[in-house]
Amino acid sequence: GAGVSQSPSNKVTEKGKDVELRCDPISGHTALYWYRQSLGQGLEFLIYFQGNSAPDKSGLPSDRFSAERTGGSVSTLTIQRTQQEDSAVYLCASSFTINQPQHFGDGTRLSIL
Amino acid sequence: QKEVEQDPGPLSVPEGAIVSLNCTYSNSAFQYFMWYRQYSRKGPELLMYTYSSGNKEDGRFTAQVDKSSKYISLFIRDSQPSDSATYLCAMSGQINTGTASKLTFGTGTRLQVTL
Repeated sequence: GAGVSQSPSNKVTEKGKDVELRCDPISGHTALYWYRQSLGQGLEFLIYFQGNSAPDKSGLPSDRFSAERTGGSVSTLTIQRTQQEDSAVYLCASSFTINQPQHFGDGTRLSIL
Repeated sequence: QKEVEQDPGPLSVPEGAIVSLNCTYSNSAFQYFMWYRQYSRKGPELLMYTYSSGNKEDGRFTAQVDKSSKYISLFIRDSQPSDSATYLCAMSGQINTGTASKLTFGTGTRLQVTL
């Protein structure tokens, strides 16, 4: 597709369950980023991929959070043993390479009951 | 203190007005400056992308960067009701500064353009 695609658009799950969020970047973009947007914290960086490597994971809030990218394209963000404070909108962005304009998907709205 | 400060608004203006949105920042490593527009339940949409100091114009939008004051602005001319959204400033730095791999955002300013 022309833009960054994220799925699912909404996810409701019970506390303690694991969730997987998917991001399909713009074709040809080597850099991929995950951010989290919540009311109290604004938009926060989580992790950056260049190709399949993640040189910057500094924003991941705990070891319950992990991400991978395969084939230099699709990325999956996994949250294990979800907690209520994980409720937020998870946004993915991609850019041609680092320090190029980042383009965002519409996010996954995650609600933990 | 946050690295990027932005007045959250809300800012309400009549249709046709000139809108001025601003951010200040503290990290002198920032070199790339962006403005995003975000509609409700949508992702941020890139409006303007500038490098270092100076002005950039695109249609009704003008972005200004003053690195000496650590101050950036977005001006919207002839504002329309469709401009009603949240506007986010964002910035990043060069690769060797540790700030290149992520955008640091302001909290966003909510803008309402009324008929």
